[in-house]
Amino acid sequence: EDKVVQSPLSLVVHEGDTVTLNCSYEVTNFRSLLWYKQEKKAPTFLFMLTSSGIEKKSGRLSSILDKKELSSILNITATQTGDSAIYLCAVAGGAGSYQLTFGKGTKLSVIP
Amino acid sequence: NAGVTQTPKFRVLKTGQSMTLLCAQDMNHEYMYWYRQDPGMGLRLIHYSVGEGTTAKGEVPDGYNVSRLKKQNFLLGLESAAPSQTSVYFCASSVAGRYEQFFGPGTRLTVL
Repeated sequence: EDKVVQSPLSLVVHEGDTVTLNCSYEVTNFRSLLWYKQEKKAPTFLFMLTSSGIEKKSGRLSSILDKKELSSILNITATQTGDSAIYLCAVAGGAGSYQLTFGKGTKLSVIP
Repeated sequence: NAGVTQTPKFRVLKTGQSMTLLCAQDMNHEYMYWYRQDPGMGLRLIHYSVGEGTTAKGEVPDGYNVSRLKKQNFLLGLESAAPSQTSVYFCASSVAGRYEQFFGPGTRLTVL
């Protein structure tokens, strides 16, 4: 059975802190790992990683994939209250190559 | 360009009632998906479609039916609602051959 595990499940930090969110997976026929941000409504796409060791960056957010360790991290530097959200990790692979298996998410709360 | 839209936004049903959730996308995407999101469970795939007239079961299909008569629409039906189907339902779509899925705003369904 395909599995995606995120840690921690929740996190409270102060504005300006740097945070690291973790995602590990056990998926047959791995193809790609995706990160989403979910505020009040729809998850919105952040990054997709397919190759090990290549960092993707967008402003204060960055992510890297380690295919040897079957894991990925999402870093957020200089956090702001607007970063408060649930961050979802998803993996493409398994029985249906374009289906995504999601983790339960990490709820990040940034307090002023 | 509205992206992915869902109708209705909220609904309350009594046990045994039926209803249909509508998903529409204007991005000309080939693939469409229905997920449910429950507290502590993450997003779980109910059914998906890789093209007009074709549907397939996901991880949690029992109690639901789907239809894709037009490329831009994907319907999710509950024939006899049960309290266990209380959840937030998300529709998503993607381009064929790509892993990034784009999500609608969700439908909050309560079954009493």
